[in-house]
Amino acid sequence: EAGVAQSPRYKIIEKRQSVAFWCNPISGHATLYWYQQILGQGPKLLIQFQNNGVVDDSQLPKDRFSAERLKGVDSTLKIQPAKLEDSAVYLCASSSVGGAGANVLTFGAGSRLTVL
Amino acid sequence: AQTVTQSQPEMSVQEAETVTLSCTYDTSENNYYLFWYKQPPSRQMILVIRQEAYKQQNATENRFSVNFQKAAKSFSLKISDSQLGDTAMYFCAFEGGADGLTFGKGTHLIIQP
Repeated sequence: EAGVAQSPRYKIIEKRQSVAFWCNPISGHATLYWYQQILGQGPKLLIQFQNNGVVDDSQLPKDRFSAERLKGVDSTLKIQPAKLEDSAVYLCASSSVGGAGANVLTFGAGSRLTVL
Repeated sequence: AQTVTQSQPEMSVQEAETVTLSCTYDTSENNYYLFWYKQPPSRQMILVIRQEAYKQQNATENRFSVNFQKAAKSFSLKISDSQLGDTAMYFCAFEGGADGLTFGKGTHLIIQP
């Protein structure tokens, strides 16, 4: 089966600019996650979708970050305006059933953002 | 909220040796899951092994095994007969209760030829 697709792989922007990342999960996976991985740290969950509904966005900085999954398939994560501290790898992952550790997450290769 | 602690930022061993990566966690949950994920350089994160807290038997996957000590809240990963391809960041992760997957800061494992 095809893996989790993410684009772009790399993006460099100036602070205060905006950026968008796209993710296409594994076909049939109902749950989609966006993680932020800052250099030297473990991934931190930003938002979790179950189909096209939000399950958890408690750690999403909503003043500048937004995410959507309109048709319950692919998803877009947007940052506007970007800050220097947003420099990180943004990982998308999907699983066939939400949460509870019953299913394994499949990760994409990530989108590396550098904010100058 | 759950916390996951990996106290070894970096480890280096010779090829074919056995290495153990440490992980401790803090939770008030009784039912939960623990994972070890591997992130090779510039490659995507993949699952190495997982353990369900209610199972007393330690999980094993080929050369990878865990030592799960529930009372001590410890979950170490043992890699036997290490190979060059094992070089990667290894993340311990916890899932339980209302929170999603919580990762530790990772251990950078280097296998020397």
